[in-house]
Amino acid sequence: QQPVQSPQAVILREGEDAVINCSSSKALYSVHWYRQKHGEAPVFLMILLKGGEQKGHDKISASFNEKKQQSSLYLTASQLSYSGTYFCGTDQGGSEKLVFGKGTKLTVNP
Amino acid sequence: DTAVSQTPKYLVTQMGNDKSIKCEQNLGHDTMYWYKQDSKKFLKIMFSYNNKELIINETVPNRFSPKSPDKAHLNLHINSLELGDSAVYFCASSQKAEQYFGPGTRLTVT
Repeated sequence: QQPVQSPQAVILREGEDAVINCSSSKALYSVHWYRQKHGEAPVFLMILLKGGEQKGHDKISASFNEKKQQSSLYLTASQLSYSGTYFCGTDQGGSEKLVFGKGTKLTVNP
Repeated sequence: DTAVSQTPKYLVTQMGNDKSIKCEQNLGHDTMYWYKQDSKKFLKIMFSYNNKELIINETVPNRFSPKSPDKAHLNLHINSLELGDSAVYFCASSQKAEQYFGPGTRLTVT
């Protein structure tokens, strides 16, 4: 079951914040976040496991509400380098089989 | 040093031909994957191998056949290519859930 990401696209000015949401209709074991720049491979950002923990590095963090089967990715004080398409991948059984959402295209302008 | 490499980077071929894509990882990971990303950027898992053993085999046409000669290599052979096979194919590897993607192979079937 493919997770649903929202919004589909967002445009920011440098320094602004954004939130990208990922929700599933199925119980989740983990949620993974990746960023893909145009013409490049997806790059791992972080993984959140069952337990509702929040993770982050630099100015990008994420939360996972396993009861609601939702995860959110928070980008604060956005930089030009944050531009790209963000994918959430969900794992329902701990098998590392990820089902990816359709992606959220983030554009950060000067 | 490239962690996950794929060859070729571009592949243009005619319908009905057979082609192969090769993938190698030097990270010492046990698990490798093949993903297909279509023109709408939808990223879908096709196969996964753990230490040369097939563990994920999604619903793909049996014209697609993966082969893992050792745990550092995972190849994808495609028979009787069709127009709908045009996409970017990504190889990835992982050890503990974090997946490292190769640069991708853009396959164009004419």
